[in-house]
Amino acid sequence: DSGVTQTPKHLITATGQRVTLRCSPRSGDLSVYWYQQSLDQGLQFLIQYYNGEERAKGNILERFSAQQFPDLHSELNLSSLELGDSALYFCASSVLNDSPLHFGNGTRLTVT
Amino acid sequence: KNEVEQSPQNLTAQEGEFITINCSYSVGISALHWLQQHPGGGIVSLFMLSSGKKKHGRLIATINIQEKHSSLHITASHPRDSAVYICAVRSNRDDKIIFGKGTRLHILP
Repeated sequence: DSGVTQTPKHLITATGQRVTLRCSPRSGDLSVYWYQQSLDQGLQFLIQYYNGEERAKGNILERFSAQQFPDLHSELNLSSLELGDSALYFCASSVLNDSPLHFGNGTRLTVT
Repeated sequence: KNEVEQSPQNLTAQEGEFITINCSYSVGISALHWLQQHPGGGIVSLFMLSSGKKKHGRLIATINIQEKHSSLHITASHPRDSAVYICAVRSNRDDKIIFGKGTRLHILP
């Protein structure tokens, strides 16, 4: 058990809808990362927060947004969903910027 | 050309064999991670390296910063080592994390 909790595990929704994915980091970890893994793209880094502030931004679409709250949990908001957004979304946490990563079990999003 | 290249893409070996997976990168980095993803989808961090060599059980990871290359070795491989192994680097220019496409390892009993 990594100590990182992601909810929900599965999500099925329709095109055009908006969803929120949630991540609770391992106790003591200040950094939260979001990744997308689709079948044809492999793992893609979306965004990192450190202690509430955005630290690094990857290939995150404008339709997607994220935030990290004072209690350090994070949410990833996906809007105007398209079929191509169907993927596994992973959250990871770490103590510092260059510390080992601890991954959640992922949220499988299916857009129909 | 991808900024992080892994080889081989696929590897099938017999139980007990010594396994080497390679990762080459083209950007300046502050850290390199080796990750393991099992068929069920869960991802486990195996190593984080910024220099030298680390060992954990039957797994050894090395990095050569000058050559921009890292290797992951598995000694006395076992069918339970069957998984996808992913190399990821953190760019020291913009802190972005860049992933390799992974190496799918299959160990036959």
